[in-house]
Amino acid sequence: EVQLVESGGGLVQPGGSLRLSCAASGFTFSDHHMDWVRQAPGKGLEWVGRSRNKGNSYTTEYAASVKGRFTISRDDSKNSLYLHMNSLKSEDTAVYFCAKAGWWSGNKYYYAMDVWGQGTTVTVSS
Amino acid sequence: QSALTQPASVSGSPGQSITISCTGTSSDIGNYNYVSWYQQHPGKAPKLMIYDVSKRPSGVSNRFSGSKSGNTASLTISGLQAEDEADYYCTSYTTISTWVFGGGTKLTLL
Repeated sequence: EVQLVESGGGLVQPGGSLRLSCAASGFTFSDHHMDWVRQAPGKGLEWVGRSRNKGNSYTTEYAASVKGRFTISRDDSKNSLYLHMNSLKSEDTAVYFCAKAGWWSGNKYYYAMDVWGQGTTVTVSS
Repeated sequence: QSALTQPASVSGSPGQSITISCTGTSSDIGNYNYVSWYQQHPGKAPKLMIYDVSKRPSGVSNRFSGSKSGNTASLTISGLQAEDEADYYCTSYTTISTWVFGGGTKLTLL
């Protein structure tokens, strides 16, 4: 079964740091791009960033709202994706989802978030 | 990159059809066919319903269909059923190699 499980959320003070983890199973992790998406309380979905696959040299992209403060990394040997969050602000309070960002069909990669975790909650407050 | 524009809410009666619009710019929807739609029930993770503008993943009902014209994408749900009541989000790739979501549309069954 293809599965993603996030962990590491919690309460952190403004200006603090936190690392989220996403454990993947049921698919060849290194073959796939992976995304982080967040959802503030009562609000819509916001794309946070992407870690591209091994074939794309693990390059990353970030939303403007988190660029310079958040870093995405991955450890393919552990089938894990990480989100390192620094200089946290109250507006970073959200449920953070990791998502598998596509799939292969033959030689073509289809870009869409087809598998999601259940999310982990981050609260930034003093 | 500004969020894509969706109506805040739409409603329909069981058996009817509804369409949700998603308006972007020439820097996102208008420039790529990487438009996808997600369904989210309260307290749950989103579920992929449409990808590449109009393709359905395996297991998604053929009552769901997608289209695009210019800078606007649309999701149509035909034969509305109770379980379709949920929030729906569009997303698109952008010219700055990021992804942007719409603000979301709450579908209410009357």
